[in-house]
Amino acid sequence: RKEVEQDPGPFNVPEGATVAFNCTYSNSASQSFFWYRQDCRKEPKLLMSVYSSGNEDGRFTAQLNRASQYISLLIRDSKLSDSATYLCVVNPGEDSNYQLIWGAGTKLIIKP
Amino acid sequence: NAGVTQTPKFRILKIGQSMTLQCTQDMNHNYMYWYRQDPGMGLKLIYYSVGAGITDKGEVPNGYNVSRSTTEDFPLRLELAAPSQTSVYFCASSYHETQYFGPGTRLLVL
Repeated sequence: RKEVEQDPGPFNVPEGATVAFNCTYSNSASQSFFWYRQDCRKEPKLLMSVYSSGNEDGRFTAQLNRASQYISLLIRDSKLSDSATYLCVVNPGEDSNYQLIWGAGTKLIIKP
Repeated sequence: NAGVTQTPKFRILKIGQSMTLQCTQDMNHNYMYWYRQDPGMGLKLIYYSVGAGITDKGEVPNGYNVSRSTTEDFPLRLELAAPSQTSVYFCASSYHETQYFGPGTRLLVL
């Protein structure tokens, strides 16, 4: 089993719709969780951190379910500019020296 | 602030050639990382550094070497290029967990 698994997609979604995708992780001791966004042929950039209580940033909501070992990302009122690959990232532990574990990404395509 | 810069942007190497990928950050971050990203795959950590003079292997270090003589610079050396090293290479730096990436180097080994 991969340490961090994501549905590769692509998710083809009409503009204005709501889309959600999940990511599962295998290490129950994982400390912290993130979503990064990667545009085509560009570097990854932090989208948001994921807290135990869940967090929201504008149209984006991230949630963590430790019992089932998954995190989710919800995008409301999707825009054409949201088209990208979304990378799920896990920090496995306090002594990891921030060696993050990266999922392969979920590709999202927003259609007009 | 330039953030993290990488050179070159693109390079074609012949099998057996050597090259150094340059990475510089101006954020005074202690932590620096080298990743490779193959199509459809997640980022794989090659080497990382927790500060000047300290480096350690990541998940896929074979065929690569690094050095960290200053806080700012973290070059990655390929000694004998192989086709399996064809990939996109990203350098990143961090103060804590949030990693900031350079624009990447696309390497093709033929």
